[in-house]
Amino acid sequence: GAVVSQHPSRVICKSGTSVKIECRSLDFQATTMFWYRQFPKKSLMLMATSNEGSKATYEQGVEKDKFLINHASLTLSTLTVTSAHPEDSSFYICSARISTGGETQYFGPGTRLLVL
Amino acid sequence: GENVEQHPSTLSVQEGDSAVIKCTYSDSASNYFPWYKQELGKGPQLIIDIRSNVGEKKDQRIAVTLNKTAKHFSLHITETQPEDSAVYFCAARRYGGSQGNLIFGKGTKLSVKP
Repeated sequence: GAVVSQHPSRVICKSGTSVKIECRSLDFQATTMFWYRQFPKKSLMLMATSNEGSKATYEQGVEKDKFLINHASLTLSTLTVTSAHPEDSSFYICSARISTGGETQYFGPGTRLLVL
Repeated sequence: GENVEQHPSTLSVQEGDSAVIKCTYSDSASNYFPWYKQELGKGPQLIIDIRSNVGEKKDQRIAVTLNKTAKHFSLHITETQPEDSAVYFCAARRYGGSQGNLIFGKGTKLSVKP
């Protein structure tokens, strides 16, 4: 199946700093990428949908100035958590949908963020 | 909007037995139903999906059935193995175009005891 990578896999940062997470589709082009957040033992919560070359669409309650999303190419999307606080600690997972037809959506391995 | 209910929340079976996880959805326009397996600390992995123009799909030990009239779909795992232990999520969305996103169930934690 298609492969989606994320980097870094885990990151620890101090409160007030910004953290960038990269999501790449390795063997396919993805017009649309998604960012999810997952709390322990909970389901996936969609944060935003990004389309290559355009602004991301954020879900209700997600601060767009807090979670900056850039989808600069068909294989790369980035999520930047700005001025991170301990409550931003979570498991962030990206997902990509293949551009050329179909609805299959593949997920990355996730990034564990811990804000001290 | 779409709402997906998933049952049970936890399921424990003996190795070799079958496991069944059920989901219901509310939006009759939904027509794409994937299942994901998530192991601890990892991202969800697509294991099987079904579109509303078919009633059943099989892939080795895994099968998914869909009842459009009743708006429910199920995951069947036969001859379970300890490595099947994980959290399984069902999801639903409208196929085609940009309408809708995947709506996930709350997950089922499957434990397969050797």
